[in-house]
Amino acid sequence: QSVLTQPPSASGTPGQRVTISCSGSGSNIGKNYVYWYQQLPGTAPKLLIYRNDQWPSGVPDRFSGSKSGTAASLAISGLRSEDEADYYCAAWDDSLSGFYVFGPGTKVTVL
Amino acid sequence: QVQPQQWGAGLLKPSETLSLTCAVSGESFSGYYWSWIRQPPGKGLEWIGEINQSGKTNYNPSLKSRVTISFDTSKNQLSLKLNSVTTADTAVYYCARPSIDVHWGQGTLVTVSS
Repeated sequence: QSVLTQPPSASGTPGQRVTISCSGSGSNIGKNYVYWYQQLPGTAPKLLIYRNDQWPSGVPDRFSGSKSGTAASLAISGLRSEDEADYYCAAWDDSLSGFYVFGPGTKVTVL
Repeated sequence: QVQPQQWGAGLLKPSETLSLTCAVSGESFSGYYWSWIRQPPGKGLEWIGEINQSGKTNYNPSLKSRVTISFDTSKNQLSLKLNSVTTADTAVYYCARPSIDVHWGQGTLVTVSS
């Protein structure tokens, strides 16, 4: 049971905008940066968004991140078939001695 | 971005100790934490713990009692030991800087089976 909550699935047709939510608390998202990862089938995760809304080099700006209070979201604009993947949010949690926590993941399906 | 190289035993019996090693470049360690992360088949990602070049560690509270992460500065290698494994520890294990590196290594599949 993760301390971060994500919907298990999301879907859209090509070209649509899809948004994935990530809900946390004051000890994680409320205080710390949020990161997003994309995991294509059969591959290792890839960092998609760092520090809430920043793009690593090479990541298209169709992907955008935002954060407000204890919640964050990832938006995929102009959905493409190659965006079909699992998406994970993550953040540092300051409770106990501190630890990094991943959300349970959201499977995005392109219809 | 140079991918880390990982190795270790891929098949363990219950109660044995999982041991993995990850070779990284020296400059990639300086000022950063390296993490171990795992993913059971068909499931999500779980952060195991991290270490920096000074040897400071942070662990997932749910695994802390069984985990030791260490770093050999002479070899630029970090290690993961997880003792008393069960079938629930079957997973692909990654070493990575999850908040820094876009691409992670290929990971190591560790299977625990009697």
